[in-house]
Amino acid sequence: QVQLKESGPGLVQPSETLSLTCTVSGFSLTSYSVSWVRQPSGKGPEWMGRMWYDGDTAYNSALKSRLSISRDTSKNQVFLKMNSLQTDDTGTYYCTRDRILRLGYFDYWGQGVMVTVSS
Amino acid sequence: DIVLTQSPALAVSLGQRATISCRASESVRSSMHWYQQKSGQQPKLLIYGASNLASGVPARFSGSGSGTDFTFTIDPVEADDIATYYCQQSRNDPTFGSGTKLEIK
Repeated sequence: QVQLKESGPGLVQPSETLSLTCTVSGFSLTSYSVSWVRQPSGKGPEWMGRMWYDGDTAYNSALKSRLSISRDTSKNQVFLKMNSLQTDDTGTYYCTRDRILRLGYFDYWGQGVMVTVSS
Repeated sequence: DIVLTQSPALAVSLGQRATISCRASESVRSSMHWYQQKSGQQPKLLIYGASNLASGVPARFSGSGSGTDFTFTIDPVEADDIATYYCQQSRNDPTFGSGTKLEIK
């Protein structure tokens, strides 16, 4: 069945770089797109960016200067790197299967990884 | 960015109907989707394309609307429906509403 699982450090120092990995199973990264979505505690989710099925990327304009998304299809993994982290980057980070070619909804979500930005 | 506005909370009695609204700052046609998020869990897709029920979702859940005004309904409400419900648009880069917390009276 379709599964996504995020992994990465739970604590990041201010001004440092966040690196997260999303490992997927049950579908191919060359057939489906994957998006990263984050959610500060008690707030609504925020779309961060997308790895398209064809290897192209798209980013939220508010994060574009700090964000990079890449993938390794042989390992079924999508990567997120975001630099210059600040305290308001604290929250839960999810990877999702993105049905961008079919109305643009997120039909499967990982369990999420809680990231705290603090010294 | 397209801004989605939801009421913060709604209290409904068990067995009654719950109606949650979402208003978009500009037309999103039918590119509106709804998610349920229970405490400590990831969001779960319930409705896509404004009115289509996601796989395995009970028919108690439904959605309607187009353009800028959308409605999500639970009828009848069950105790397990306690959660926060989010709308999300995909007309442009995806954005989410701030969520409506469903409480039981």
